[in-house]
Amino acid sequence: DIQMTQSPSSLSASVGDRVTITCRASQSVSSYLNWYQQKPGRAPKLLIYAASNLQSGVPSRFSGSGSGTDFTLTISSLQPEDFATYYCQQSNSVPVTFGQGTKVEIK
Amino acid sequence: EVQLVESGGALVQPGGSLRLSCAASGFTFSSHWMIWVRQAPGKGLEWVANIKQDGSEKYYVDSVKGRFTISRDNAKNSLYLQMNSLRVEDTAVYYCARVESRRALDYWGQGTLVTVSP
Repeated sequence: DIQMTQSPSSLSASVGDRVTITCRASQSVSSYLNWYQQKPGRAPKLLIYAASNLQSGVPSRFSGSGSGTDFTLTISSLQPEDFATYYCQQSNSVPVTFGQGTKVEIK
Repeated sequence: EVQLVESGGALVQPGGSLRLSCAASGFTFSSHWMIWVRQAPGKGLEWVANIKQDGSEKYYVDSVKGRFTISRDNAKNSLYLQMNSLRVEDTAVYYCARVESRRALDYWGQGTLVTVSP
């Protein structure tokens, strides 16, 4: 199974900050890497698919990069509605696996 | 508008059974892989099972193999998860989601809570 490791597990940031979350796969997942945002009590929401493609309707302050085993989600200027938990997910092979999540909290 | 609506979650005793349903609308259901993902209280996301468009391929996480069965009825635009021999550790919110062409999960239901407790 491919293990997905996110860092950090949590972070505190202020509105307007640039935030970067990393995701590392235990073996190559090519570009089959997706990012989701989840707020408490809500279903996850797709932000980025295939490593760097912005899902329709998602603000352009979100971006993704990487390929192979190392990936990054960047929020260029953190907004109040961005405080949430973020998950990476590989869809290169079964079993589909998620990272453990990164909780972004208000500083 | 794409909609996925889960139902069937409940409180059940260990060893019991439940059948979850996911009603799909707003898209061509038969054109998409579908997936079940669960989230235990306060924990992260865990893939449970997925199923090909015509039901000919099904995959399961090891912890549910032999106990859970994923199925679909394309005529009814519905996805199912039959859960047998339930364990306390199966307690979670269960989400159904659509798999898009690049294999991301682009639409999710609101989730249904399964609680397994004596």
